Amino acid sequence: DTAVSQTPKYLVTQMGNDKSIKCEQNLGHDTMYWYKQDSKKFLKIMFSYNNKELIINETVPNRFSPKSPDKAHLNLHINSLELGDSAVYFCASSRRAMGEAFFGQGTRLTVV
Amino acid sequence: RKEVEQDPGPFNVPEGATVAFNCTYSNSASQSFFWYRQDCRKEPKLLMSVYSSGNEDGRFTAQLNRASQYISLLIRDSKLSDSATYLCVVMTTDSWGKFQFGAGTQVVVTP
Repeated sequence: DTAVSQTPKYLVTQMGNDKSIKCEQNLGHDTMYWYKQDSKKFLKIMFSYNNKELIINETVPNRFSPKSPDKAHLNLHINSLELGDSAVYFCASSRRAMGEAFFGQGTRLTVV
Repeated sequence: RKEVEQDPGPFNVPEGATVAFNCTYSNSASQSFFWYRQDCRKEPKLLMSVYSSGNEDGRFTAQLNRASQYISLLIRDSKLSDSATYLCVVMTTDSWGKFQFGAGTQVVVTP
């Protein structure tokens, strides 16, 4: 019974397409995150939501739009995909915005 | 200067040996500290939180040095399964929800 699950695990798509990644957590946490891990393996926060409200929005292109329908879900929609968007995207959650985070298994996005 | 810096390694460690490495952070307002472990092509997993007084979890010991702004991780009696990338994570009181990750230290335990 996966605590933080994200789908799909792999996503290969062409430049210019629009795609979504879904994330769900069953831990009862109130804070969820999206992180991007690039080819250099550096994990960088993109967004953070607390109780469905956006609390962190790093300097991410507005082609990326997170949506949190409820506090157990945080989806990421990406418009007009570019080659540079290729990375592994991790969803995570924590009990509060200061506790340890638990990560999903990642979505490996490849833009061709 | 990066907010969280780590020696990328790799640290090549014979099985059974001890290895230790540090992570430095630049923001003196940092309040929460963690070590995560990431295996190749997997998600980061919490290894341990780091407390002010230092803490131990089996073969793993974490220390915090606020004066010099670094945390450390020591692994005793290394196992082959300890081979992974160890990520230092720092959070500041003025940016709750913003975990700052280091780039990771790679540890390779050899037979």
